[in-house]
Amino acid sequence: SQTIHQWPATLVQPVGSPLSLECTVEGTSNPNLYWYRQAAGRGLQLLFYSVGIGQISSEVPQNLSASRPQDRQFILSSKKLLLSDSGFYLCAWSVGQFATNEKLFFGSGTQLSVL
Amino acid sequence: AQKITQTQPGMFVQEKEAVTLDCTYDTSDQSYGLFWYKQPSSGEMIFLIYQGSYDEQNATEGRYSLNFQKARKSANLVISASQLGDSAMYFCAMRELQGAQKLVFGQGTRLTINP
Repeated sequence: SQTIHQWPATLVQPVGSPLSLECTVEGTSNPNLYWYRQAAGRGLQLLFYSVGIGQISSEVPQNLSASRPQDRQFILSSKKLLLSDSGFYLCAWSVGQFATNEKLFFGSGTQLSVL
Repeated sequence: AQKITQTQPGMFVQEKEAVTLDCTYDTSDQSYGLFWYKQPSSGEMIFLIYQGSYDEQNATEGRYSLNFQKARKSANLVISASQLGDSAMYFCAMRELQGAQKLVFGQGTRLTINP
């Protein structure tokens, strides 16, 4: 069966420090991968998605970047964190067909606090 | 323009009662999919139910059903015989054929089940 791992679960970082959040998927090949951010008490905002190794699409211009160095690995990064980067970050995967019935499977999330 | 609208920020329901969570959507596509996810306090996103735009019957999954009214562009989630464990955030989401790489979420409804 497929599983998705996301770490760390919580992170407290000072403003201006770098960030690296990692997500890996097991049990499937060539998935679509996604990073979402959720502000406190709000809905999910799509940040990045990837259809293959090295292929990254950005949805919102911001202080963050994403990379996909391996088929089942997705990394969210920042060189210098801002206060506004605080939030709950969720990684997700789907089977990669871009069909309208394609559901997402989510990781357990990372709560990032930038102080 | 808001693609998914959930007008109920919070709802309080007595245990064992049925509850309806509202969702309206906006799309010009003829082919699209509608999803509901549950987010408990742990933060994980749990898929509940899916409805395709061409599905003639309302989707059902155990105690969950989706009241799909295509002409009104609404996709309300109905939970029958609510349980204390149903207390969570609930998100409605849509995937359009145009732009099918994105699953767009509403702002969510916080459901609290009272004993």
